[in-house]
Amino acid sequence: QKEVEQDPGPLSVPEGAIVSLNCTYSNSAFQYFMWYRQYSRKGPELLMYTYSSGNKEDGRFTAQVDKSSKYISLFIRDSQPSDSATYLCAMSGAAGNKLTFGGGTRVLVKP
Amino acid sequence: GAVVSQHPSWVICKSGTSVKIECRSLDFQATTMFWYRQFPKQSLMLMATSNEGSKATYEQGVEKDKFLINHASLTLSTLTVTSAHPEDSSFYICSATELAGVKETQYFGPGTRLLVL
Repeated sequence: QKEVEQDPGPLSVPEGAIVSLNCTYSNSAFQYFMWYRQYSRKGPELLMYTYSSGNKEDGRFTAQVDKSSKYISLFIRDSQPSDSATYLCAMSGAAGNKLTFGGGTRVLVKP
Repeated sequence: GAVVSQHPSWVICKSGTSVKIECRSLDFQATTMFWYRQFPKQSLMLMATSNEGSKATYEQGVEKDKFLINHASLTLSTLTVTSAHPEDSSFYICSATELAGVKETQYFGPGTRLLVL
């Protein structure tokens, strides 16, 4: 079993819909949680950074962390075709430590 | 956010040659840089952790003599693929950590696509 599980998708939604992404993990030592967006043939771009449990909102993006369930989520409101990309969750046990990535979820937002 | 650059963005080389890839943090000092490899439709695979002024720490299964890493300054790390072979063809991505207070965040470079013929 992988340390971080993420549905590979693809997740196809119509423009304007809410995109819901999630990851589950097994290592209770993880405290730092991140979501990255990666376009084809590009490096990952940091979207959200969360420490410990709770919610964080930034524009159209909302990240949630539930450490008791070992479950994290990313919501994208009012999705746009430009949101079509692969979304990677990542986490670490301490600041600056190496990240453990999920496998990525491919998202397609159709006009 | 912080900017990390990589050079070259893509390279084609003959089998048996060595290829050097540079990773630079442009507007911050990075004590730690990471090197990843990514195959098509797969997630990032960590190859090694590079700390400025010390030897890199390689992940299990990664040949340190084949993938030479040098982290000579707080803004530059290099990955050299020695005696490259077609199976080394991949997308190589570096990341650098920026320390802002108690928060350390990894920022990724744009990646280098390597094709070995």
